[in-house]
Amino acid sequence: DQQVKQNSPSLSVQEGRISILNCDYTNSMFDYFLWYKKYPAEGPTFLISISSIKDKNEDGRFTVFLNKSAKHLSLHIVPSQPGDSAVYFCAASVGNAGNMLTFGGGTRLMVKP
Amino acid sequence: DTGVSQDPRHKITKRGQNVTFRCDPISEHNRLYWYRQTLGQGPEFLTYFQNEAQLEKSRLLSDRFSAERPKGSFSTLEIQRTEQGDSAMYLCASSSTRWGDTQYFGPGTRLTVL
Repeated sequence: DQQVKQNSPSLSVQEGRISILNCDYTNSMFDYFLWYKKYPAEGPTFLISISSIKDKNEDGRFTVFLNKSAKHLSLHIVPSQPGDSAVYFCAASVGNAGNMLTFGGGTRLMVKP
Repeated sequence: DTGVSQDPRHKITKRGQNVTFRCDPISEHNRLYWYRQTLGQGPEFLTYFQNEAQLEKSRLLSDRFSAERPKGSFSTLEIQRTEQGDSAMYLCASSSTRWGDTQYFGPGTRLTVL
């Protein structure tokens, strides 16, 4: 039973445009959500997080939106850059970021120059 | 480099052999986590420690797997009698309960069981 799902295995966007990566979850106990970026042969790198008391969190070019009623979150990258090309994972936990993370399957983002 | 380090980065072994991996967390991080990632999937939680205490273990962690963090610093993950299904990337992460508990990952150890 996949509790966190990323339904798009890949996404291709033009440099300078917006990238929108989506994530759905089923466990209503999840109340902390994170996005990680992964390059080949490296471990996941933390990008941005959001707790369930908020519906938006912004950090530079990265914004995460949380829709609790739909059990859906999304990551917006504006403007997209070729260096953003990587696999993006959303993750969720119960309580806080220090508890066990449940990850989605990842979305490969390709930003074309 | 003050990030999470893992050793070795790659390990090839024959079925039935024992393997041990090491993880050194970010200095002063009191929590340490092990995850496993197979091709095309996201990381799956295995276990985590707060200081020396192992606080949680996943059902994925069969009896052939054992993890230790004897002095609350580095950790080892041992797999006994390896099977081909153990082939995966083993990721270690650390966090600090004082600094928001965000988990920071190391580069991983890729295990191939022949």
